[in-house]
Amino acid sequence: DVKVTQSSRYLVKRTGEKVFLECVQDMDHENMFWYRQDPGLGLRLIYFSYDVKMKEKGDIPEGYSVSREKKERFSLILESASTNQTSMYLCASSSPTSGRADTGELFFGEGSRLTVL
Amino acid sequence: GQNIDQPTEMTATEGAIVQINCTYQTSGFNGLFWYQQHAGEAPTFLSYNVLDGLEEKGRFSSFLSRSKGYSYLLLKELQMKDSASYLCAVKGYSTLTFGKGTMLLVSP
Repeated sequence: DVKVTQSSRYLVKRTGEKVFLECVQDMDHENMFWYRQDPGLGLRLIYFSYDVKMKEKGDIPEGYSVSREKKERFSLILESASTNQTSMYLCASSSPTSGRADTGELFFGEGSRLTVL
Repeated sequence: GQNIDQPTEMTATEGAIVQINCTYQTSGFNGLFWYQQHAGEAPTFLSYNVLDGLEEKGRFSSFLSRSKGYSYLLLKELQMKDSASYLCAVKGYSTLTFGKGTMLLVSP
């Protein structure tokens, strides 16, 4: 069974703290993504990666960075957390031929709910 | 860029049929996905359309018109467990862009 695992379901951090969100996939997918999901705004893409050590900015990269040292692992880093980064963070992976009929379907992790006080 | 619109909320009765619309304007189009997301859970795949027409899968069907930038998800014989958020997502050159989601509430 395909699996995307996020390290923490719930985190509470203080303003200014450095935060690491980890994501691991076991499907040998090339592509990995970080989204955040907020009420009324939907899913918005923060960063994505096509390959090890590669990264691309999504729609809302400000205040975030990422790291992909191994194919199966994609980390999201908040260098100095702020209250407006309180959100649900969703990691996903895909390959050009993943999913039903090679659609490039995204497979999501369960999400990490971050609260910044 | 991408602009995707879908209704914020819909309500329907158990056993009924409901149609959730999605309109989009994109700079590149390589398919349209529908995902279902129950509260507190990850989105899960429902359907994918890349050519015009209707794709049927059990109680769920999805339609696409590329010339009109329009898709809909049709849910038949609604069940209480269908209460969820339904996300329309357009596949561009390299990434998926999601609409804000439609919260569907199914009542007895």
